[in-house]
Amino acid sequence: QVQLVESGGGVVQPGTSLILSCAASGFTFSSYGMHWLRQAPGKGLEWVAVIRYDGSNKYYADSVKGRFAISRDDSKNTLYLQMSSLRAEDTAVYYCARDLGYQLILMWSFDIWGHGTMVTVSS
Amino acid sequence: QSALTQPASVSGPPGQSITISCTGTSSDVGNFNLVSWYQQHPGKAPKLMIYEVNKRPSGVSDRFSGSKSGNTASLTISGLQAEDEADYYCCSYTGSEGVFGTGTKVTAL
Repeated sequence: QVQLVESGGGVVQPGTSLILSCAASGFTFSSYGMHWLRQAPGKGLEWVAVIRYDGSNKYYADSVKGRFAISRDDSKNTLYLQMSSLRAEDTAVYYCARDLGYQLILMWSFDIWGHGTMVTVSS
Repeated sequence: QSALTQPASVSGPPGQSITISCTGTSSDVGNFNLVSWYQQHPGKAPKLMIYEVNKRPSGVSDRFSGSKSGNTASLTISGLQAEDEADYYCCSYTGSEGVFGTGTKVTAL
């Protein structure tokens, strides 16, 4: 079945780095734009980053620009989020999600979500 | 980019219709028809309920409908059921990123 599974979360100290992974299955991963989103404990959803189906364009929320990097490896059907200079305010459940659009089209609607992976930034 | 504004809570008796508003600006909701709505039950991942303002993905009940007027989008739940109790979030494209609403807790009284 169509599925996204995140991994790589954990407890890290402020200022350090972490890489999240999102393994996709059940669909042609290379044909879809992919997003990272997050949700701080007890708070609302926040969009973090997107990468087009072919990796040609990447966009970031202002809150993570310059610190986070989104990438993909279509040979492994895997999406990544490299996070650096982590801050306490980055503490959240991180979700990967598929864009509803196909290939060139980004619809900025997220139709398939993973279960999330928790990142805690604390000293 | 500021979050879109939603009421903190909306409630109604089972069987009634409720509407959740999502107010943005002419730079986001008012400028793009890329508004979507998500339902989130406690401890679960969000679920797409509406995309492109008023379109329903396959499998979503037709009790859920979306609309937009100016800078405000709305989600209507008709025939409210106990299973509809959840948090609901709107989301809009801004031209360069996505922005979510503040979230609304729906309660069936």
